Amino acid sequence: SAVISQKPSRDICQRGTSLTIQCQVDSQVTMMFWYRQQPGQSLTLIATANQGSEATYESGFVIDKFPISRPNLTFSTLTVSNMSPEDSSIYLCSVEAGSYEQYFGPGTRLTVT
Amino acid sequence: QKEVEQNSGPLSVPEGAIASLNCTYSDRVSQSFFWYRQYSGKSPELIMSIYSNGDKEDGRFTAQLNKASQYVSLLIRDSQPSDSATYLCAVGPYLISSGSARQLTFGSGTQLTVLP
Repeated sequence: SAVISQKPSRDICQRGTSLTIQCQVDSQVTMMFWYRQQPGQSLTLIATANQGSEATYESGFVIDKFPISRPNLTFSTLTVSNMSPEDSSIYLCSVEAGSYEQYFGPGTRLTVT
Repeated sequence: QKEVEQNSGPLSVPEGAIASLNCTYSDRVSQSFFWYRQYSGKSPELIMSIYSNGDKEDGRFTAQLNKASQYVSLLIRDSQPSDSATYLCAVGPYLISSGSARQLTFGSGTQLTVLP
């Protein structure tokens, strides 16, 4: 399985500001995904990020709020823009490593005050 | 809309017992199925994948798939306190899907507690 790192691991931000979360993989992967997990809840897919193409967003998530970059096959960023307390959550990136198996990074715990 | 249903629990079993976790899914064309374990404060960890009807065993874990009934289960034999976690069932699409269609749909998870 791939080794995935995320930065930052946690942050406390003020409302109205933006935070960019980085996801780095130790091998080249085609498919990367960004999820949100609120306390006590399951995973909600934000978007799918393929290298060289625009990210595909799920219903309820828009590019202006959650812009994603995927500049190469080992790296992606998710920005949470104009944050509000409702954006407080854990943000997770995952990669697909064949046969639809997804492996997750350690997550970024975001608190918006 | 694709749905994956799990009993939220909590499910408690004594140490050494068999823990049985169940999952049903709505999309009949689904062909890939996964179980993830998530410890509190940690990210999900893939523990089993299954693609064909029947049983798949890996150590103390057995995944069972019945596509006709749209049902997948996870059995944990000789349960240990270290197995206490939330178990997430995830369902994937038809195996030749591409792009964003390759996303997984996750259930809400079952919280398992193994009592010493």
